Amino acid sequence: EAGVVQSPRYKIIEKKQPVAFWCNPISGHNTLYWYLQNLGQGPELLIRYENEEAVDDSQLPKDRFSAERLKGVDSTLKIQPAELGDSAVYLCASSLGGSFTDTQYFGPGTRLTVL
Amino acid sequence: AQSVTQLDSQVPVFEEAPVELRCNYSSSVSVYLFWYVQYPNQGLQLLLKYLSGSTLVKGINGFEAEFNKSQTSFHLRKPSVHISDTAEYFCAVRQETSGSRLTFGEGTQLTVNP
Repeated sequence: EAGVVQSPRYKIIEKKQPVAFWCNPISGHNTLYWYLQNLGQGPELLIRYENEEAVDDSQLPKDRFSAERLKGVDSTLKIQPAELGDSAVYLCASSLGGSFTDTQYFGPGTRLTVL
Repeated sequence: AQSVTQLDSQVPVFEEAPVELRCNYSSSVSVYLFWYVQYPNQGLQLLLKYLSGSTLVKGINGFEAEFNKSQTSFHLRKPSVHISDTAEYFCAVRQETSGSRLTFGEGTQLTVNP
């Protein structure tokens, strides 16, 4: 069974440019998460989707970040415009549902460098 | 609010030695606890989880952890480590009132030396 797929794996852009990350969750997983992982720190949740609905986006900086999950499968996270402080790893995860006992499966992440 | 503290940012050990990675949490309600491992340039992989029942939880790769409610701890242990265990380890907590939000600690870098 394929795991969570993310692309690109690495992205280097200049500040003020837009950037987008793509995630394909494990087949059949209804819940999708985007996490931000700064260097030397643990991941922090940005947004959680239950199917197409964003049910927890309280940590998403909505002035520059946006996300969508059309048709409840793939998801895209966008930053526009990017700032130097956005340099980090962006992780996507998925789980069967949003239950407290569900295991979240993580993708390899996209490492963003903003110059 | 829930929080997680990993008491050691780096733990160097020699191969075949035992290791303990410490994790304390803070929560006012019942919690579920997890340990994840992250190898370089990879995503996080679940090692083990505590949901309920026995306080001693066994996971993959020979790791185990013990949930101690009175000390609000969930330390990870392995009796004999291998070079291949070198990685970053994250403790995480989820509480019923936070939906399925996982709160992670800052991680512990385990380095196993020959």
